Amino acid sequence: NAGVMQNPRHLVRRRGQEARLRCSPMKGHSHVYWYRQLPEEGLKFMVYLQKENIIDESGMPKERFSAEFPKEGPSILRIQQVVRGDSAAYFCASSRDRVDNEQFFGPGTRLTVL
Amino acid sequence: AQSVTQPDIHITVSEGASLELRCNYSYGATPYLFWYVQSPGQGLQLLLKYFSGDTLVQGIKGFEAEFKRSQSSFNLRKPSVHWSDAAEYFCAVLANAGGTSYGKLTFGQGTILTVHP
Repeated sequence: NAGVMQNPRHLVRRRGQEARLRCSPMKGHSHVYWYRQLPEEGLKFMVYLQKENIIDESGMPKERFSAEFPKEGPSILRIQQVVRGDSAAYFCASSRDRVDNEQFFGPGTRLTVL
Repeated sequence: AQSVTQPDIHITVSEGASLELRCNYSYGATPYLFWYVQSPGQGLQLLLKYFSGDTLVQGIKGFEAEFKRSQSSFNLRKPSVHWSDAAEYFCAVLANAGGTSYGKLTFGQGTILTVHP
């Protein structure tokens, strides 16, 4: 009964490159959430997705960031042209539905931008 | 918009002592409330949650929390702390309407717990 899977666990990119972070939700979960934990800051919501739909992207930076959750396969958080300020831990969570929402978190992807 | 305040950034206790971590929230209606724990370099593990009903909720690892609507608080307690409890603790609130959540967890800044032997 696997939990939320994230890969890679650690990702190093140079400024200007693209970063792709993957998240496989728990079995039976169709809701996915991405959060970012910046150094010296708390966890901040980025985006909430259901299969093939973005429900709430109010926490996503307006440029360079995008997210998808296709019908088949994992959810992807994509960061284009990374900058040093993107260095952070990115956590994915999943839930079964929106009623009595309980979110289970993955181990995170730690992105370092050189 | 909802918000969460954890007034204590860092707390140090001796092993075996009791613990209380404070959490205050701001939200217009009755929120869904959570406590998560994060060990260094790890993800978040859910300790306990409050949706409705009994205001004293029991969680894993011997933790409990009490929802007090009049004080807008959801403090986490443990009667006797173990060295393995050293970690960072996050309180979170989830806005909801009629039992359907809005999906977005709002977290407090976290409280780092250090346990002395």
